[in-house]
Formats: sequence, C-alpha cells, structure tokens
Amino acid sequence: QSVLTQPPSVSGAPGQRVTISCTGSRSNIGAGYDVHWYQQLPGTAPKVLIYGNINRPSGVPDRFSGSKSGTSASLAITGLQAEDEADYYCQSYDSSLSGWVFGGGTKLTVL
Amino acid sequence: EVQLVESGGGLVKPGGSLRLSCAASGFTFSSYSMNWVRQAPGKGLEWVSCISSSRSYVDYADSVKGRFTISRDNAKNSLYLQMNSLRVEDTAVYYCARFPLPAATREDWFDPWGQGTLVTVSS
Repeated sequence: QSVLTQPPSVSGAPGQRVTISCTGSRSNIGAGYDVHWYQQLPGTAPKVLIYGNINRPSGVPDRFSGSKSGTSASLAITGLQAEDEADYYCQSYDSSLSGWVFGGGTKLTVL
Repeated sequence: EVQLVESGGGLVKPGGSLRLSCAASGFTFSSYSMNWVRQAPGKGLEWVSCISSSRSYVDYADSVKGRFTISRDNAKNSLYLQMNSLRVEDTAVYYCARFPLPAATREDWFDPWGQGTLVTVSS
C-alpha cells in the first residue's frame, strides 16, 4: 500500500476536464513538503509534469495544472486529448519514513 | 542533451547478486545527487536509494536497507547499485534518476530519468 493515495483510474471524453487526487498525511504533504506529478506513457520512463505543487516544466502544455491544500494535492487536466492516456503518479517526501514517496498511480483513459 | 543509460539487469536466482550501472552524460555529473527508483511489473514507483554528489550522504528505503549499496564514480560519470541477497519481490525495472538541481533537498523531484533496466529474481 502506497504512502500517498491516488484513485486507481479516472476517465474522460476528449475535450473534458479530469482531476486526479493525491492524499497524504501529516508526515508528508501535510508537513509542507512539495508535491510533484509524473506522466508515464506505456513502455516509457516517467516524466515530470508538475513540480513544486504548481510549476510546469518547459514543454508541458498549460492544460496540466497542479494544486495543494492541507494533506492533499490534485492534478487537473483540461481539454483531454487521446495522447494524455497514461499513468500519473504523485510524489513527495515523508519525514517518518525519511525517504521520498510516491502515490500508487492513476491510469487515465480517454474515452 | 542530458542522458542517463542503465545497464546490468538480468535474471538472477533468489539469494543472488547483481550490479546495476548508470552512465550519465550531458551535464556535470559530479555536481548532482543521484537516485535509483524501481517499478515492479504492473505496479507503481518506489524510491530505492539516493547518493549525494560527494558521496557524503547515502540513504535507502527500508525494503532494501542492508542488502543494497549505492555508489558512484564521478571520474567515470557513473552511478551504481550493488544488489545482494536478492528476493523475488525485488523483481522490477530499475531507473536511474537525477535530482533537478545541484543543491538537492527533501523538496526535490526526479528529473531526468533513464530508460530503465529490468531485474528478474526467479528460481
């Protein structure tokens, strides 16, 4: 069981908006540690999508946005496209475990 | 172009050993902390180990502590993971991943990643 909790799957039609939640605790997100998001396309390595809760690396479309509040964070994807179909992971640091932790991953299906 | 290329994966029996390597290029390797992150087949990501640029700091996930050893050779721009007493549950793709900035902190994320190397532990 992952330290950060994500829904196993979400889905949406092209053009729609979806959100993926990431729930932690007082030893990670709730302790103020930043949350980062990764996109993993089938058969490839993960790629950072959002870093520092809200920041997009250059080249990442502004259809992707992140937010954080309390012990949770969210990734929002607007204007869904077929190419967005992938696995998405959140990541933070956990002071109780003294290590970097990931969510279990969410599979996004574009209907 | 920043590039990380892992090698050394393969099939090993339970209790066996394996040494993974990661060749870095396109950046000043000696300035960055480095990590190993693994992904079991069909499963999520798990941070395994971290080593600072000067090798003064190393850390491990509890699941591998005492069995795995991370090291680096800054002269060869290479990162290593010595894996001993391997278990079936260590079966995974192992990724080499860099922290994004030279001054690594707990707030950091992993960027970039290598393509991964598959380790299969099975009798």
